[in-house]
Amino acid sequence: KNQVEQSPQSLIILEGKNCTLQCNYTVSPFSNLRWYKQDTGRGPVSLTIMTFSENTKSNGRYTATLDADTKQSSLHITASQLSDSASYICVVISQAGTALIFGKGTTLSVSS
Amino acid sequence: NAGVMQNPRHLVRRRGQEARLRCSPMKGHSHVYWYRQLPEEGLKFMVYLQKENIIDESGMPKERFSAEFPKEGPSILRIQQVVRGDSAAYFCASSPPGALSQRGTEAFFGQGTRLTVV
Repeated sequence: KNQVEQSPQSLIILEGKNCTLQCNYTVSPFSNLRWYKQDTGRGPVSLTIMTFSENTKSNGRYTATLDADTKQSSLHITASQLSDSASYICVVISQAGTALIFGKGTTLSVSS
Repeated sequence: NAGVMQNPRHLVRRRGQEARLRCSPMKGHSHVYWYRQLPEEGLKFMVYLQKENIIDESGMPKERFSAEFPKEGPSILRIQQVVRGDSAAYFCASSPPGALSQRGTEAFFGQGTRLTVV
């Protein structure tokens, strides 16, 4: 079973609308959780990093939340733009880990 | 400060040939990570290296795959006798000294090398 599960697998929204992506993880003990954006054919780019003590983190129109008790995180995108079309990946690191553990990502398509 | 540079961007190899993928980390970064991404799958960890040392190769297939990060020059991921199942995007990331479990340690990714085995 994948240690990081994301939903939905894909999402289509109209430009200007908001959306929320979900991430559940089982990695324990947990160190930090990251959200990355990956454009087609490109490498992932970091959006936010949160430790277990942080509940909310914003980066422009992106707001990430974390509930370390339920092992859930969400990424909320406000006023979506066409350029937001990409895969959004939830990544978790354990306290002892040397590697990033990636979810499969949510593919977001923003249409005009 | 240039980002993480990977080359080639695209590589085509026939079955049985060798593939060499190169990764030059960001300036000042001494840690390199290699990840593989199969179609419709998430990135999977392969190997973590520091200069002249392999720290964690738990994600690396035991046969045909090897990685190095010499004192001078880029990190190399080498795949011998490639098979069709090796076709994937291979991403390299680099970070400054410090564990990724530390909040302040950021890993930066290259654009990837897309390997196609025909």
